Amino acid sequence: ETGVTQSPTHLIKTRGQQVTLRCSSQSGHNTVSWYQQALGQGPQFIFQYYREEENGRGNFPPRFSGLQFPNYSSELNVNALELDDSALYLCASNGGGLNYGYTFGSGTRLTVV
Amino acid sequence: QKEVEQDPGPLSVPEGAIVSLNCTYSNSAFQYFMWYRQYSRKGPELLMYTYSSGNKEDGRFTAQVDKSSKYISLFIRDSQPSDSATYLCAVGRRGGNKLTFGTGTQLKVEL
Repeated sequence: ETGVTQSPTHLIKTRGQQVTLRCSSQSGHNTVSWYQQALGQGPQFIFQYYREEENGRGNFPPRFSGLQFPNYSSELNVNALELDDSALYLCASNGGGLNYGYTFGSGTRLTVV
Repeated sequence: QKEVEQDPGPLSVPEGAIVSLNCTYSNSAFQYFMWYRQYSRKGPELLMYTYSSGNKEDGRFTAQVDKSSKYISLFIRDSQPSDSATYLCAVGRRGGNKLTFGTGTQLKVEL
């Protein structure tokens, strides 16, 4: 069973609204990454946090923002939602360094109407 | 050109068959290679992880990397209906902070 927990599992929002997605990392993992997975596509990197600091960002606009807390849990915030933001949002954690064995959560399915 | 190319399938095989899943990548800077399995409505689950050319075996699964051809493969022996899922290849750079995924291949193993 995965050690990464995401909430909520499903969410429906209206275009223009704001949303906050939450992630609880696997115990001992200080690095958390967020990915967006559109239907029929592979996950796309949004950004990564390491020890509460952003540590790299993919090709996503500034209305996608995040936070990592001292207990290594994390939030993904999306402002001014657009229809194309409808996707599965995945949180992944690892112990940092060169270990690419990311553990993914089950994701939050966001639908923007 | 996408950094990672993967045939989306779907691929349908009979139970017990050997399955071959493949990806190509464009950048020789990628040095870490992974295969993830994703069941419907679930997050990706790491199956295999390697950072060198050659083969790595784990039970019924074998990952193969050919850096000279920029080609990675996953073989599944004695496939089972429970192997029915989407298989994602992913690559990463040494010292990098992200994984780059293929689009995923949908596999169905039929009784």
